[in-house]
Amino acid sequence: QSVLTQPPSVSAAPGQKVTISCSGSSSNIGNNHVFWYQQLPGTAPKLLIYENNKRPSGIPDRFSGSKSGTSATLGITGLQTGDEADYYCGTWDSSLSGKVFGTGTKVTVL
Amino acid sequence: EVQLVESGGGLVKPGGSLRLSCAASGFTFSSYAMNWVRQAPGKGLEWVSSISSSSTSMYYVDSLKGRFTISRDNGKNSLYLQMNSLRVEDTAVYYCARESAGTPDHWGQGTLVTVSS
Repeated sequence: QSVLTQPPSVSAAPGQKVTISCSGSSSNIGNNHVFWYQQLPGTAPKLLIYENNKRPSGIPDRFSGSKSGTSATLGITGLQTGDEADYYCGTWDSSLSGKVFGTGTKVTVL
Repeated sequence: EVQLVESGGGLVKPGGSLRLSCAASGFTFSSYAMNWVRQAPGKGLEWVSSISSSSTSMYYVDSLKGRFTISRDNGKNSLYLQMNSLRVEDTAVYYCARESAGTPDHWGQGTLVTVSS
C-alpha cells in the first residue's frame, strides 16, 4: 500500500517523449526531495534523478525531473528501446518517519 | 567504484530467522547511512529500514517493527538485517543501498529470501 501513486503504464514510439507522474501529500513530496529510479528487468534499481531534478553523473539529459506542490514528474525524451523498464519515484515521509516509494510505472516503447 | 554485495538469503520456513549481510567497498562506509529495500516477486519496491552512519539512528517501516533489526559494523564495512518470525509475505529480493543526502544512490544486486513450508 504505497503512499505515492504512479500510473501503471505509459507508452510512446521511439524518439517521442513520455512523462510519469508521482502523486503524494504534504507529509512526503510536499516537503521533501524526490528521487527517481529505473529498473530494467532482472536488475537492481538505478538512480536517475535526486533532489527533485538533479541527475547523477552518467545519466543522459534525456531524463528530467520536476516537482510542484505534492506531485513530481519524470520526463524521458528521445525515447529508446533501451528505456523499456519500470520506473519508481521515492521520497521521505515525515509522518511515517521512513522512506516511501511509488507504485511503479512500466514504460513501453511501441 | 562503489560495490555492495548482499548475502545470506535462502529458503526458510515460516517462523524462522535469517540474517542478511551486505559487504561494502569502494567508498568510506563509515561516512554513509545505509538502507535495506525489498521487492516481492512481480511487485514494487518497499523500503524496509535505514541506519545512520554511526548507528545512532535506525528507522523501520511500521509493518516490520519488532521483527527486523538493522545493524552495521563500520570496522568490517558491513551492513546487516536480522529477520525473525519470518512470514510467507516476507518473500522478496532484499537490496542494500547506500544513502547520500537522503537518497539511496547505489544499490547491490540483491539476495532472494524465500519463506515457505
